Amino acid sequence: DAGVIQSPRHEVTEMGQEVTLRCKLISGHNSLFWYRQTMMRGLELLIYFNNNVPIDDSGMPEDRFSAKMPNASFSTLKIQPSEPRDSAVYFCASSFSFPYIQYFGAGTRLSVL
Amino acid sequence: TQLLKQSPQFLSIQEGENLTVYCNSSSVFSSLQWYRQEPGEGPVLLVTVVTGGEVKKLKRLTFQFGDARKDSSLHITAAQPGDTGLYLCAGEKSSGDKLTFGTGTRLAVRP
Repeated sequence: DAGVIQSPRHEVTEMGQEVTLRCKLISGHNSLFWYRQTMMRGLELLIYFNNNVPIDDSGMPEDRFSAKMPNASFSTLKIQPSEPRDSAVYFCASSFSFPYIQYFGAGTRLSVL
Repeated sequence: TQLLKQSPQFLSIQEGENLTVYCNSSSVFSSLQWYRQEPGEGPVLLVTVVTGGEVKKLKRLTFQFGDARKDSSLHITAAQPGDTGLYLCAGEKSSGDKLTFGTGTRLAVRP
C-alpha cells in the first residue's frame, strides 16, 4: 500500500490567494483527520471525518478554512483567502475503526507571503 | 490550552546515553499513544498503552502508562543517532474520541 498521499508537498503563495491541499486515504480506511503543525502551537487537529461525514470541525480556525470528502478515498482542505499566519505544515491522517492507529501523510508545507 | 504537556521540550545527548521523556496531564485518558516524527515526514505510531500501570517495550524503548492514566513516560536506553526526532504523546479521553497531541519533545542524539 502506498500509504496516505498528500499533494502538493510544498506550496508557496501570496496573501489573498486560494490554496487547496489534497489527501488520498489508505484504501479501506474510513476516518480522515486534517492537522496543522507549527513550532508555536504544535500539532493541532483541524477537522475529522468518519465515513465521509464531518464529525468535529471545532479546530478549524475560521470561515476561510473548509474541508470536504467528495468520496471515501479523497479529501481536500481549502483556504480562501490565505493569510501569512496560515503558514504551517498541514498533515492528513487516516485510520480504520476510528481513531486507532492513525497513519499520517508526509505533509504539505505551506508558505503564505 | 494544551492538555498534554511534555518535558523536556528539547534534549541533546551523546550516543549511548539513556533518557526519559515525560507526558503529563491533569485529565484521565482511556488510552495513550506515542509517535516519532522525523524531519520532512509525518508522525509514525510507536506504541499504544491502554491499562493503568502498563509497561511496553519496543527494543531499546520502554513505555509506561501511569497508574491513574494521567501521565506516561518513554525511556530510551543507549540512544543512537537513529533515535533523533520529535516524540509526541497523544491521548484519547474516551474510547472513540479524537486524539489530543502533546507539546512534543525534540531529541537530538550526537554520534
